[in-house]
Amino acid sequence: DTEVTQTPKHLVMGMTNKKSLKCEQHMGHRAMYWYKQKAKKPPELMFVYSYEKLSINESVPSRFSPECPNSSLLNLHLHALQPEDSALYLCASSPGLAKETQYFGPGTRLLVL
Amino acid sequence: EDKVVQSPLSLVVHEGDTVTLNCSYEVTNFRSLLWYKQEKKAPTFLFMLTSSGIEKKSGRLSSILDKKELFSILNITATQTGDSAIYLCAVRNNDMRFGAGTRLTVKP
Repeated sequence: DTEVTQTPKHLVMGMTNKKSLKCEQHMGHRAMYWYKQKAKKPPELMFVYSYEKLSINESVPSRFSPECPNSSLLNLHLHALQPEDSALYLCASSPGLAKETQYFGPGTRLLVL
Repeated sequence: EDKVVQSPLSLVVHEGDTVTLNCSYEVTNFRSLLWYKQEKKAPTFLFMLTSSGIEKKSGRLSSILDKKELFSILNITATQTGDSAIYLCAVRNNDMRFGAGTRLTVKP
């Protein structure tokens, strides 16, 4: 299995909803990442997990809460989001945190109403 | 502040043309430079470069890194309409920073 999978593919939520994005990889990678990408912009790093521990949090608002239950799974819990949070949320993984390539999942397109 | 700058931002060519995309960077603790192609969804990996002067090739695509002058180029020869995409350059240090991308349009 050489891919990163993400669910759901699309998500529409209201500002009072609580939802979760899921990411999974079975490549034995020990680093996993969440990115946010707005239209016509490059991906922006949100969080980095290394060996299931949060390594980097790029000043992301607390309405985004990451969780890494095990080395294959990465979740992003969403609560009280704003319409400007609408974006493509990309998960990626890499063998480690050093200089290896990051492989991206297909993304979840989120719309906050 | 770390910077990754790509040029041009947009490029329109005809099938068969050769294009050169540029990426310059200023980052601390440089580890590697990566090129990605992004069409409708997630970026797909093209190349990872860590050493200067060593060309990486994959079919009609090639890339090289100059760590002294802090830039990389991505060449695409004999372009096809399927090459139309956004090409992203990213630099890894402690995290990963993307350039704004070059939007390449290849017309028939």
